[in-house]
Amino acid sequence: DAGITQSPRHKVTETGTPVTLRCHQTENHRYMYWYRQDPGHGLRLIHYSYGVKDTDKGEVSDGYSVSRSKTEDFLLTLESATSSQTSVYFCAINRGNEQYFGPGTRLTVT
Amino acid sequence: SQQGEEDPQALSIQEGENATMNCSYKTSINNLQWYRQNSGRGLVHLILIRSNEREKHSGRLRVTLDTSKKSSSLLITASRAADTASYFCATDAEGYQKVTFGTGTKLQVIP
Repeated sequence: DAGITQSPRHKVTETGTPVTLRCHQTENHRYMYWYRQDPGHGLRLIHYSYGVKDTDKGEVSDGYSVSRSKTEDFLLTLESATSSQTSVYFCAINRGNEQYFGPGTRLTVT
Repeated sequence: SQQGEEDPQALSIQEGENATMNCSYKTSINNLQWYRQNSGRGLVHLILIRSNEREKHSGRLRVTLDTSKKSSSLLITASRAADTASYFCATDAEGYQKVTFGTGTKLQVIP
């Protein structure tokens, strides 16, 4: 357990609405990540951050934006949610060569 | 595209048997890791093997790495019902800060 929490844990929203997911860590790690997990695709990297205000795109970044104004918080925003963004979202931090994951957020876009 | 592909996609065995999962990847790596995911939970790191290592053990886990074939295997010996989970390999072709996960093997251990 690397002190990672995600909020909300579950969310149902309608197509076209904005959604923000929050990842919070308590151990001051530099690297933070957002992944989505879908059946048949494993985990795919959306965006990651390597410091406050320093972010970069991952494999599936279209339709998502991120912000990191404090070391401990990494926000993932869906500006206008689509049904294809229904997924389970995981936040992670990098400790040495290992990644530690939060409990996940299940997002359903109807 | 996925860097790692696990095989088989699903595996069902009896408690006490050994479980072997394989991972193939496409580009040169520095390290390869294996993670476990219990249903509805986040991934948990199991073991890391470096590109200059051929085999590594941790408890009932044995990992092998063949860089010439770009493949790795995870062996769980004397499996238990509690080993029921999905297992993912992860590679760091772009540096240790950024890993790419495979699609996973779903293991069911029948008591």
